[in-house]
Amino acid sequence: DIQMTQSPSSLSASVGDRVTITCQASQDISNSLNWYQQKPGNAPNLLIFDASNLNTGVPSRFSGGGYGTHFTFTISSLQPEDVATYFCLQHINLLLTFGGGTKVEIK
Amino acid sequence: QVQLLESGGGVAQPGTSLRLSCAASGFSFGDYGVHWVRQAPGKGLQWVAVISHDGSNEYYADFVQGRFTISRDNSKNTLFLQMKSLRADDTAVYYCAKALGYCAGASCPLGDDWGQGTLVTVSS
Repeated sequence: DIQMTQSPSSLSASVGDRVTITCQASQDISNSLNWYQQKPGNAPNLLIFDASNLNTGVPSRFSGGGYGTHFTFTISSLQPEDVATYFCLQHINLLLTFGGGTKVEIK
Repeated sequence: QVQLLESGGGVAQPGTSLRLSCAASGFSFGDYGVHWVRQAPGKGLQWVAVISHDGSNEYYADFVQGRFTISRDNSKNTLFLQMKSLRADDTAVYYCAKALGYCAGASCPLGDDWGQGTLVTVSS
C-alpha cells in the first residue's frame, strides 16, 4: 500500500501568515492527490483536487502543488476561519490513503 | 443536491457485528462508486473500502482483514457496510463518500460529497 507522510502534524501561525503543509508519498502517485479541510464535528471539505486544482468556491488563498512523490499545500494569508485540520489523500489506485493530518491554529 | 445519510451506528460489544447503511439521494446512485472512510475519536481519516457502481468490484484496506463487507442496493439507493468481529479499535465515526466515477477501472477518486457520519463505539 502507498503510505502518505504529512508534516507538520500541527502548526500555529499568525493571521496573515503564509502556511505550508507537505505530503510525501511512498511511491510515485503522479498528480493523484487531493487536499481536504475538516473542522470539528464536520465531514471533510475538498479544497484541492489532482494536486493543484482549486475546487469550486474555495478561496484563492488556498493552493496546491507537486507531482510524483512530493506535494505541498499553501494558505497564502492565514485567516481565522482557516483554523481546522487539513488532510492529503492519494487516489492513484483503488486503495486510498490519507496523510496523518495537520492541525492549524492561530497564534 | 447530493445527500448521503449514514445510519446504523451505536454501541457494540467486542466480537459482535453491526451493519451500517448510507442512504443516497440527489444523484444517479447507480452511476457512481462509493467509499467508506472512518475516523477514530481525535484521530485522522482512514479509508475503509470502496465498491464499484454496479457492485461488481470491492476493495478493502488491509486492516479490514476479511471482517467487513461493503455492498449496495442500487434499487434502494443504499450503501452498506457489514462489520463483524468488531474490536475496540474499530471505534470511529464512519462516513460514506461518493466517488467521482464508476470505480470500475484502475482508480476511484473521492470528491466533495460526504455524509455526516455515524458513530460506532465498540466497548464491553
